[in-house]
Formats: sequence, C-alpha cells, structure tokens
Amino acid sequence: DAGVTQSPTHLIKTRGQHVTLRCSPISGHKSVSWYQQVLGQGPQFIFQYYEKEERGRGNFPDRFSARQFPNYSSELNVNALLLGDSALYLCASSPDSFNYGYTFGSGTRLTVV
Amino acid sequence: RKEVEQDPGPFNVPEGATVAFNCTYSNSASQSFFWYRQDCRKEPKLLMSVYSSGNEDGRFTAQLNRASQYISLLIRDSKLSDSATYLCVVNPTPGSYQLTFGKGTKLSVIP
Repeated sequence: DAGVTQSPTHLIKTRGQHVTLRCSPISGHKSVSWYQQVLGQGPQFIFQYYEKEERGRGNFPDRFSARQFPNYSSELNVNALLLGDSALYLCASSPDSFNYGYTFGSGTRLTVV
Repeated sequence: RKEVEQDPGPFNVPEGATVAFNCTYSNSASQSFFWYRQDCRKEPKLLMSVYSSGNEDGRFTAQLNRASQYISLLIRDSKLSDSATYLCVVNPTPGSYQLTFGKGTKLSVIP
C-alpha cells in the first residue's frame, strides 16, 4: 500500500509568490492534516480536514489556506510568501477524525529566497 | 510555559547504554500522548503511543504520569540505529485534532 504521498519534494520560490503543495493520504484515510516544521523545531499544526471539512486551524496567518477534495487528497496554498515561510511542510493522514497517531508523508521542503 | 517541553539534549551515549527522555505538558485536559522518531531530514514516524498504565515495545518503554503532567521514554540496550531526534507529542484539547510537538531531543548512539 502506498503511504502518504506529497508533491513536490522540493521547491524554491521568490518572496511574494504563491505556492501550492499537494498531498494524497493513505488509501481509506479520510483525515488530512498539515504541519510546518522549521529547522530545529518540532512540527507546528496548520490545518486539519476531515471529509472535506476544516476541523482545525492553527495559529497561522490568512495567507495560508487549504482544501480537501472528494478523493480525500488535499492542497495547502500559501500566498505572498515570506522568507520565514521556508520550512518542511508535512502532510499527515489518519483513518478518521479521532487521533490514533498520524502517518506523515516525507514532506515538501520549501525555500523562499 | 510552553505546551510541550522536552529535555534540551543532545544525548550522546555509547552502544548498549540505557537512556531516558522526559517531557512535560501544560494542558491537564490532554488526552492522547505519543512519542515520534525523526531521522535527519526525514518525516516524523510514530514510535509508540503512551498509555496511563505504561507500555512497552521491545527495548522501548513509555510512561505517563497525569498528576505530574509528565511523559517519559526509556530506551534500553541502545543501538546505533536508535540515533535520531525523539519528539514528545500531545493532543492537548479533547475533541480537537491537532497534535502539539515538543522541539525534540537529539540522540546520538556512539560505537
């Protein structure tokens, strides 16, 4: 079975640009969460979606948005990129909306220059 | 006080040593607790859940003390392959779906 897949794996963007990151959860998993991990820190919660509905939002500015599609895949969008948005963006899936411990994808490493 | 605090590390231990990591959490209503392992430049991977009664998985033992809001992870007979960053993770709010991660403690097992 395929695990959580994320694309792209690496990305370099310029300040002010927009970026879209993609995630496909494990087959049968209906919940997708997004986390940002800055170097030297633990991952920070951005969003959680379950059955296409937003179920949680972390302390991130409105430049960050996300959505979940009928096939449970998800996109994370970040507008007006700042240097501080450089990080590893992790997608995690779980079987349902309750937390049994997530399975993470290998992440998208975003560098903003 | 940070939501999840861990030993700052790094821990450098010889092969075969026993090492313990500690973690405290601030929200007494927290319901779910985990230890994740993260290798350099890789994604976090679930090592084990932590239950009130304590639980063991091979060389790894996790303990939870709700009264003290304290979680621990014990690794016995350390292997070179145990070298990684260990993340203490808490679901701080019942009914919510977010995980709160500590900064992690880096372990290096030395031959």
